[in-house]
Amino acid sequence: DGGITQSPKYLFRKEGQNVTLSCEQNLNHDAMYWYRQDPGQGLRLIYYSQIVNDFQKGDIAEGYSVSREKKESFPLTVTSAQKNPTAFYLCASSRERAYEQYFGPGTRLTVT
Amino acid sequence: EDQVTQSPEALRLQEGESSSLNCSYTVSGLRGLFWYRQDPGKGPEFLFTLYSAGEEKEKERLKATLTKKESFLHITAPKPEDSATYLCAVQPIIQGAQKLVFGQGTRLTINP
Repeated sequence: DGGITQSPKYLFRKEGQNVTLSCEQNLNHDAMYWYRQDPGQGLRLIYYSQIVNDFQKGDIAEGYSVSREKKESFPLTVTSAQKNPTAFYLCASSRERAYEQYFGPGTRLTVT
Repeated sequence: EDQVTQSPEALRLQEGESSSLNCSYTVSGLRGLFWYRQDPGKGPEFLFTLYSAGEEKEKERLKATLTKKESFLHITAPKPEDSATYLCAVQPIIQGAQKLVFGQGTRLTINP
């Protein structure tokens, strides 16, 4: 079964700790994305990557970092510099030259 | 600035009562408009892509239409399982990027 997996589903961290969210896809898609979803707001783009070893900042990249060492994987690190890290994080992917993005099941991060 | 506004924020219907959800957008150039369905605590599920004014797409009880300024998601004779949040997104024509701009969503509830 092809798809996007995100782990874990729920994550709890203390303030001041960095945390890494996993995203893996077996759809053979070139592009991958990270979004953040907060209640009452639309999805906001954090980072995206169109090819391996290359990525660009989205609209709200401050306090986050990513890597793209393999086509299948695009992990997101939420650093202690992110002021409001508690949110629902969504990973997505798309084919080259195709515009629809397919989403994973999400990770709900709670920082206290 | 590229922007997407969805209305209403929430809509409650009786089973079988048809209605429409609205997605208004302002974008410098439109590459595509997308509709997604999102169930609580899950990632968005892709429904439709529309590329040009006058285009229509259908899937079961849903039909999406597009004009130069807005898109409608028509739902005909809905069932309780159609209850979800429906998200609209646009992809602006930006050189070398595949970014989506999302609206806040319409939360649809179908009562049996």
